[in-house]
Parts: sequence; structure tokens; C-alpha cells
Amino acid sequence: DAMVIQNPRYQVTQFGKPVTLSCSQTLNHNVMYWYQQKSSQAPKLLFHYYDKDFNNEADTPDNFQSRRPNTSFCFLDIRSPGLGDAAMYLCATSREETQYFGPGTRLLVL
Amino acid sequence: DQQVKQNSPSLSVQEGRISILNCDYTNSMFDYFLWYKKYPAEGPTFLISISSIKDKNEDGRFTVFLNKSAKHLSLHIVPSQPGDSAVYFCAAKGSGTSYGKLTFGQGTILTVHP
Repeated sequence: DAMVIQNPRYQVTQFGKPVTLSCSQTLNHNVMYWYQQKSSQAPKLLFHYYDKDFNNEADTPDNFQSRRPNTSFCFLDIRSPGLGDAAMYLCATSREETQYFGPGTRLLVL
Repeated sequence: DQQVKQNSPSLSVQEGRISILNCDYTNSMFDYFLWYKKYPAEGPTFLISISSIKDKNEDGRFTVFLNKSAKHLSLHIVPSQPGDSAVYFCAAKGSGTSYGKLTFGQGTILTVHP
């Protein structure tokens, strides 16, 4: 009965090689979020979708893009990963104030 | 500019005792506050929340207190259990919409000893 699913749980990519992380939800929530969390730091919001409306945080690098083809799925594309992009990437959903998180994808950049 | 702060990086408590985790914020426009628990290699799990129009919310062993004048909230866990050992994050949401960015604190590592 998983509610927010992220695949894969671990992703290894090479410096500069595009990578896509995926998130799906069974909650039918209209809002989906992508956060980046580096070790020992607080999660940091990259962007969110309200339905199909995309909202980018002002300090999110252009290297990060997102797609939401339907209510259930949302993708995070990193066009040219750098070593500094190695982190845990968390997907979350909400209908109102409370956000529900997936298990995260840990990205390693070699 | 850290708008949500958890000043205690860690807390150690004996099983059965009360755990009190604290959080301070600076932005008076926050209108909703949440606590999350996080185990290693997992995403944050929602615990309990409170609206800015309330000063207390209780759910089983978990109680959140909000002091708006002091811009301070706390999470009480009574009684503490070894399974409560995790990182606890407080988070705050800005007013204006029912959804949107959560600003997180740095987290407090809670260890409950048997």
C-alpha cells in the first residue's frame, strides 16, 4: 500500500551524463514536489507542480528540470550532473498542508 | 538566512521518559507547522502538525505545542520508546495557500536508550 513511490532507490551516474529520477503516487494528490537533501542538511525545495502548473524555486539551478505527464507521475531530470548534485532526492505530494514523502532516491555522481 | 532552527543537534533520553524536541522560527508569515521523523536511507514520515491558530495538538504519544509570541514550537513524546530513535525535523509553511514550500529545520537526532 505504498503511497509515494520513488525509483530507483539508488542511482549512480557519471559526471555530465543526464539522469532521470521518477516518482509516482497513489494518493491522487494534486500537488507534487521535488526536494534535494544533502547529508546533515535540511531538505531544500527545488520545484513543485500544482496540477500541471509548474513552480520553480528562484535558486534552483537550470540544470534541474521536471515533467509531470499526469496526476500520478512526476520526473526529475538532471541534464548534466556535477559532483555537487550528489544527494538524496525526495518526492512529496499533498492535497492541503501536509506533505507526504517517498523513500527518496540517493544519487551518486562519479 | 535560516528561518527554521533546531538548535539541538541531538538528544538522548531513557526509555519511558519524555522527549522534548524544540524548534524556533523567525518568519511570522508561517501559518502551519509540521514534525517529521526520518530513519536512515528513508524519506521523512509525517508525525503531527499544528495550525497557527492553535497552541496545542495531540495524537497518541505525540503532542505539539506552539507559542506564537515566542515563535517557538516543541514536540513532546511520552513515553519515549527505542523505536522513536530517528532524526526529527520541524517544518513550516508560509501563509497564502494551502500548499507550497516547506521550510525545514536542520533536524535533531533522538536516541532513546532501553
